Amino acid sequence: TQLLEQSPQFLSIQEGENLTVYCNSSSVFSSLQWYRQEPGEGPVLLVTVVTGGEVKKLKRLTFQFGDARKDSSLHITAAQPGDTGLYLCAGALGWDDMRFGAGTRLTVKP
Amino acid sequence: NAGVTQTPKFQVLKTGQSMTLQCAQDMNHNSMYWYRQDPGMGLRLIYYSASEGTTDKGEVPNGYNVSRLNKREFSLRLESAAPSQTSVYFCASSAGRVAGYTFGSGTRLTVV
Repeated sequence: TQLLEQSPQFLSIQEGENLTVYCNSSSVFSSLQWYRQEPGEGPVLLVTVVTGGEVKKLKRLTFQFGDARKDSSLHITAAQPGDTGLYLCAGALGWDDMRFGAGTRLTVKP
Repeated sequence: NAGVTQTPKFQVLKTGQSMTLQCAQDMNHNSMYWYRQDPGMGLRLIYYSASEGTTDKGEVPNGYNVSRLNKREFSLRLESAAPSQTSVYFCASSAGRVAGYTFGSGTRLTVV
């Protein structure tokens, strides 16, 4: 059982659509991060959220950290083919204890 | 380009063989990590090093050893490879938890 459950596991949408992916846990995290990974490459950090209820925007991407710091969501507005990739959430349990979810694989079709 | 460099990119081993995965970072980060990524399992921490001269076990350390050679380099050794160690291995470094991790491009290891 994953400490961080991400849903959906797979998502295929048309260009221009909006989407939300989720990252849920029963554990409390001191911070939570979102990464995007492309085939054959390592994950690349998108954002870090630290405070419960925090919302951060990165162009068309909106990240929210749950009030209880147990869950997070990533919303993409007007998805583009360049958004295609594996989206990973990672929660910090301790200073050097970062746990990753299995990811949501997003495909955006032109 | 600044970042984390891993070698080799691909490797095939026979069961029982040994090998060392190399990792180097040029960002002056104190912390370095080794993860493995398997389908449906996400990234799982094998070992980490919070600073030069220290190493600690992560979630899945069995069958692996590490060496923090200096601040830049952190190697992962498989002493006797097993098919269960077939995976993609990622090295990462960090300036601190909130700063996030910088990952290398990975080593795809197959044990036959």
